[in-house]
Amino acid sequence: AQKVTQAQTEISVVEKEDVTLDCVYETRDTTYYLFWYKQPPSGELVFLIRRNSFDEQNEISGRYSWNFQKSTSSFNFTITASQVVDSAVYFCALSVFSKTSYDKVIFGPGTSLSVIP
Amino acid sequence: EAQVTQNPRYLITVTGKKLTVTCSQNMNHEYMSWYRQDPGLGLRQIYYSMNVEVTDKGDVPEGYKVSRKEKRNFPLILESPSPNQTSLYFCASAPWWANPPQHFGDGTRLSIL
Repeated sequence: AQKVTQAQTEISVVEKEDVTLDCVYETRDTTYYLFWYKQPPSGELVFLIRRNSFDEQNEISGRYSWNFQKSTSSFNFTITASQVVDSAVYFCALSVFSKTSYDKVIFGPGTSLSVIP
Repeated sequence: EAQVTQNPRYLITVTGKKLTVTCSQNMNHEYMSWYRQDPGLGLRQIYYSMNVEVTDKGDVPEGYKVSRKEKRNFPLILESPSPNQTSLYFCASAPWWANPPQHFGDGTRLSIL
């Protein structure tokens, strides 16, 4: 069975601090996708990044970076120099190949990040 | 503008009164899916559809029905709603060749009394 764990339920940081959101996943599939979504207080889900299981390169996008390590089944997300606008719930998710497409998606429970000015 | 549109955005209703939440996408996507979001549980997949007339159960399909008669529409039907179906619901779509990620609607908050 597949599972995504986000052990940090809530995190509070002071603006400009760096913060890392942890994500640990479980799957027996060798082919899968991992991704992160952001849900700001307004409620919509904003796609941030996708990684496939064959690409372990870390990625940086502005203040955001992602560290994918298959050895530890982790896909952690770091925000550098956090800002108040980063306050949101962040979801890590796993998508596994089923039938003809990656249609089965498993979300973690989410981490609520509060950035205090 | 490319979007996934859900209606209604908010609904308060009573136990047992049938309701339908509509979902429509204008991107010609093959794949559509419904999720419910509950505190501490993240999003859980209810049903998904890989194309017209092709639907399948997700992790929590009990108490829900769906249909996919047209490519753009994927309504979620609660035949006899109960209080445990009070939740925030999201519809999502994706093209078959780029799934994931999925494009999400803005959500529908259902309260069943």
